Amino acid sequence: TAGITQAPTSQILAAGRSMTLRCTQDMRHNAMYWYRQDLGLGLRLIHYSNTAGTTGKGEVPDGYSVSRANTDDFPLTLASAVPSQTSVYFCASSERSYNEQFFGPGTRLTVL
Amino acid sequence: GQNIDQPTEMTATEGAIVQINCTYQTSGFNGLFWYQQHAGEAPTFLSYNVLDGLEEKGRFSSFLSRSKGYSYLLLKELQMKDSASYLCAVLDNDYKLSFGAGTTVTVRA
Repeated sequence: TAGITQAPTSQILAAGRSMTLRCTQDMRHNAMYWYRQDLGLGLRLIHYSNTAGTTGKGEVPDGYSVSRANTDDFPLTLASAVPSQTSVYFCASSERSYNEQFFGPGTRLTVL
Repeated sequence: GQNIDQPTEMTATEGAIVQINCTYQTSGFNGLFWYQQHAGEAPTFLSYNVLDGLEEKGRFSSFLSRSKGYSYLLLKELQMKDSASYLCAVLDNDYKLSFGAGTTVTVRA
């Protein structure tokens, strides 16, 4: 099984443009998450979903939106990218919100 | 807000033992996780503690004291492949995971 996949692997984006980062898991996990990782700051939660059809805001949600139309997919959208959104983005999933999380390989995004 | 502290860097020799400390002040507690992250890769799960005491898993052990807001990860018989960042993360009352900034461990021959 693939586990959890993300696309694209990396992207350079002009400021003001929109972009959707894709995340798919095949483990039938209920919960999914989006984090950003910046040097010296560690992983910070952007948005999460405890089950299909529900989403919630994390620590740094501004400028990002998510949807959870089904169990497997959890896309993250930047409506109008800004340079401060330059980061490595990790998607993760867990069977339930209290179980260990499994991380995707990450998307490296540069906003110029 | 959540406050999770761990040292930025540690260096140790191959075959030695290293202890990575983590202290936390969070809005509630539903468990503490340790993750390993090699450079350029995704974090991978190492251990989980929810009760006080020591959990041992091969060369890695993790300890928790809830009253002190303290945990450590013990890496024994260090190998070169253990060079990585080690992330301490706490599950809060809302079952959201907050991460420390990570400890980069460098293993020298």
